[in-house]
Amino acid sequence: DAGVTQSPTHLIKTRGQHVTLRCSPISGHKSVSWYQQVLGQGPQFIFQYYEKEERGRGNFPDRFSARQFPNYSSELNVNALLLGDSALYLCASSIGQISYNEQFFGPGTRLTVL
Amino acid sequence: QKEVEQNSGPLSVPEGAIASLNCTYSDRGSQSFFWYRQYSGKSPELIMSIYSNGDKEDGRFTAQLNKASQYVSLLIRDSQPSDSATYLCAVFRGTSYGKLTFGQGTILTVHP
Repeated sequence: DAGVTQSPTHLIKTRGQHVTLRCSPISGHKSVSWYQQVLGQGPQFIFQYYEKEERGRGNFPDRFSARQFPNYSSELNVNALLLGDSALYLCASSIGQISYNEQFFGPGTRLTVL
Repeated sequence: QKEVEQNSGPLSVPEGAIASLNCTYSDRGSQSFFWYRQYSGKSPELIMSIYSNGDKEDGRFTAQLNKASQYVSLLIRDSQPSDSATYLCAVFRGTSYGKLTFGQGTILTVHP
């Protein structure tokens, strides 16, 4: 079975631009969570989506938004990029909203903002 | 106080030794606990999950949970150079949504 997929792998943007990151969960998984990981730190929670609805939001500005589609894939959008948005963006897939919440990560999208 | 704290690294052990990784958490309502392994430049990989007090063994890995002490650990027996990575402790509170809270990670180096 295919794991979590993310695209693109790498992205270079300039300050003020907008970016869209994409994620497809493991087949049969209905929940997608997004995390930001900066170098030397653990991932920080951005959003969780379950059944196409936002179920949780971390401490990130409104420049960050996301959505989930009927096929459970998801997009993360970041507007007005700042240098500090440079990070590895991780998508995690899980079966349901809670259960035991085992989350499986995709390969990530490395975003560089110049 | 950080929500999830891991023992400061880096941790260096010889091949064949036991590596011990520790994690404490502040929220007593936490229900599920996870260890992820992250190789340099890669994404985290789930290696252990533990939900109740005690030990859970999977191959060379043993996770230990003590909710009263708010402490979770990971032991790696017969450490191999391929175990060299950053190990991330993650905690799930079990509220209405699936937020994992991660520690900062511990870098483990296993030298031949």
